Amino acid sequence: EDQVTQSPEALRLQEGESSSLNCSYTVSGLRGLFWYRQDPGKGPEFLFTLYSAGEEKEKERLKATLTKKESFLHITAPKPEDSATYLCAVHADSWGKLQFGAGTQVVVTP
Amino acid sequence: SAVISQKPSRDICQRGTSLTIQCQVDSQVTMMFWYRQQPGQSLTLIATANQGSEATYESGFVIDKFPISRPNLTFSTLTVSNMSPEDSSIYLCSVVWSSGELFFGEGSRLTVL
Repeated sequence: EDQVTQSPEALRLQEGESSSLNCSYTVSGLRGLFWYRQDPGKGPEFLFTLYSAGEEKEKERLKATLTKKESFLHITAPKPEDSATYLCAVHADSWGKLQFGAGTQVVVTP
Repeated sequence: SAVISQKPSRDICQRGTSLTIQCQVDSQVTMMFWYRQQPGQSLTLIATANQGSEATYESGFVIDKFPISRPNLTFSTLTVSNMSPEDSSIYLCSVVWSSGELFFGEGSRLTVL
């Protein structure tokens, strides 16, 4: 059975303090790994899709990387507006059927 | 990217009643899905909304409880039937865009008393 595990569950950072979130996965035949940002009371906002080991993608202060067993979301010099829950999901079966992790709640304080 | 609108954004309902949630996309999309996010939990796929045919439900979800319609390539509805407090969740519409990315609507937050 496909499994997605995110760590840590929660992360508290000072503004400017870089850190990384982890997403480890067990799937038979990865077709894509997705990262989303979710603010309270809102739907997930798409960030990245990674398809193969070694792939990296960047957007502003965020950088996502992928290996054969895990993905990392690096937050460089975070700002308070980066506070959110970050969700990782894998696509291994039919399109749209994503297996989500439980998320990492990030709080960035000034 | 797709613009996905959901109605209602939130509602408070009485036990035993039903509520229909609408999802409207600003462009035609082939694949549309409904997810549920229970309080403090991550997202779980309910079903794939198939245009012109019956929806495809995931394990644990049935048509009698969550009937879905998809009359065209830009619109779908999800009904939560005979609601109980356990149905209190955020219900999310999502679509696969031409780029292969999966986008979500803002969600419909349902509270059942």
